[in-house]
Amino acid sequence: EAGVAQSPRYKIIEKRQSVAFWCNPISGHATLYWYQQILGQGPKLLIQFQNNGVVDDSQLPKDRFSAERLKGVDSTLKIQPAKLEDSAVYLCASIGGVNANTGELFFGEGSRLTVL
Amino acid sequence: TQLLEQSPQFLSIQEGENLTVYCNSSSVFSSLQWYRQEPGEGPVLLVTVVTGGEVKKLKRLTFQFGDARKDSSLHITAAQTGDTGLYLCAGEKTSGSRLTFGEGTQLTVNP
Repeated sequence: EAGVAQSPRYKIIEKRQSVAFWCNPISGHATLYWYQQILGQGPKLLIQFQNNGVVDDSQLPKDRFSAERLKGVDSTLKIQPAKLEDSAVYLCASIGGVNANTGELFFGEGSRLTVL
Repeated sequence: TQLLEQSPQFLSIQEGENLTVYCNSSSVFSSLQWYRQEPGEGPVLLVTVVTGGEVKKLKRLTFQFGDARKDSSLHITAAQTGDTGLYLCAGEKTSGSRLTFGEGTQLTVNP
């Protein structure tokens, strides 16, 4: 089965510009996560969706970050305006189907953002 | 304050050596997972442990969950260059709750 797809793989922008990342989870996976991974650190949860509803966005900097999953399938994460400290890899992960009870997260390859 | 503390942060060893990395917390977890992440890739699940004192083996990798379910260790026997990567532990305080990741141990196995 196809894995979690993310795009773009790399993005370089200047501070105060905006950027959007796209994620298509594994088919049939109801739960989707966006994580931020700063170099040298572990992933930090930004937002969790269950189908098209938000389950947990307590760690999302809502003044500049937004995310949506309108049809409960693919999702978009937006940053506007970007700050230098937003430079990181943005990982999308999904869970569901036969693995729903195991708790195994399936991650995409990530989108690496550099803010200059 | 980091909920899950991993040590060491960096580890560089020669092929064939054994090693152990640790994941410690003051909190109790209902389950704990270990992932390996290679450069340019997302983390990939290695194992999930759910029972205090549980030991799981995956070829040359041995995972242990502490009796009190507050800590875990990963032991690699006869490390190979292919074991190089970032090893992340992640814990779930209650079933279905947010998965929290540690900062990771960056392992380099030299030929």
